[in-house]
Amino acid sequence: QSVLTQPPSVSGAPGQRVTISCTGSSSNIGTGYDVHWYQQLPGTAPKVLIYGNINRPSGVPDRFSGSKSGTSASLAITGLQADDEADYYCQSYDSSLSGVVFGGGTKLTVL
Amino acid sequence: DVQLVESGGGLVQPGGSLRLSCAASGFTFSTYWMTWVRQAPGKGLEWVANIDQDGTQKYYVDSVKGRFTISRDNAKNSLYLQMNSLRAEDTAVFYCARNRLGAYDSWFDPWGQGTLVTVSS
Repeated sequence: QSVLTQPPSVSGAPGQRVTISCTGSSSNIGTGYDVHWYQQLPGTAPKVLIYGNINRPSGVPDRFSGSKSGTSASLAITGLQADDEADYYCQSYDSSLSGVVFGGGTKLTVL
Repeated sequence: DVQLVESGGGLVQPGGSLRLSCAASGFTFSTYWMTWVRQAPGKGLEWVANIDQDGTQKYYVDSVKGRFTISRDNAKNSLYLQMNSLRAEDTAVFYCARNRLGAYDSWFDPWGQGTLVTVSS
């Protein structure tokens, strides 16, 4: 059971928009700790997609965007492409656990 | 290029020990917090431990406290994870990663390619 809750899977057709939610609590996202998002393509290491809730590293397309409100955060992907098929993870810090926490991951399928 | 390369994984019996290494290059290693994250087969990511720039602050997930020790050698640009009393549930790919901030609000970039640790008799 992950401290941050993500849907196990989402899907969408090419060109569509999907969102992935990340629900936390008052000891992590709700306290104000930042949320970061990673993309893990099959057989590879995770790569940062969004950091500090809303920021994109250079090289990440603006089709990817992040938001945060209250105890939750979301990753939105517009203009879905076949190579967006991957696992996506949110990450934050939890003051009760005194450690970094990840969401359980969401598998994105492009139909 | 900024690069992290893990080594030291392998097959070990329950109760055994293993030491993982992570060689850093392309950046000033001594100025960054560093982290180990693991991923059990078919499962999600789990933070394991992190360490500050000079090795004085170390934090661990509860499940490895007392069994794993994170350390670093800034002269060798290397991060380590000493794993003792290994259990079957420690089987995972272990990644090292660079913190972009300190211990709290940091994200991790880049990540190494990972090294597989298998605990089995």
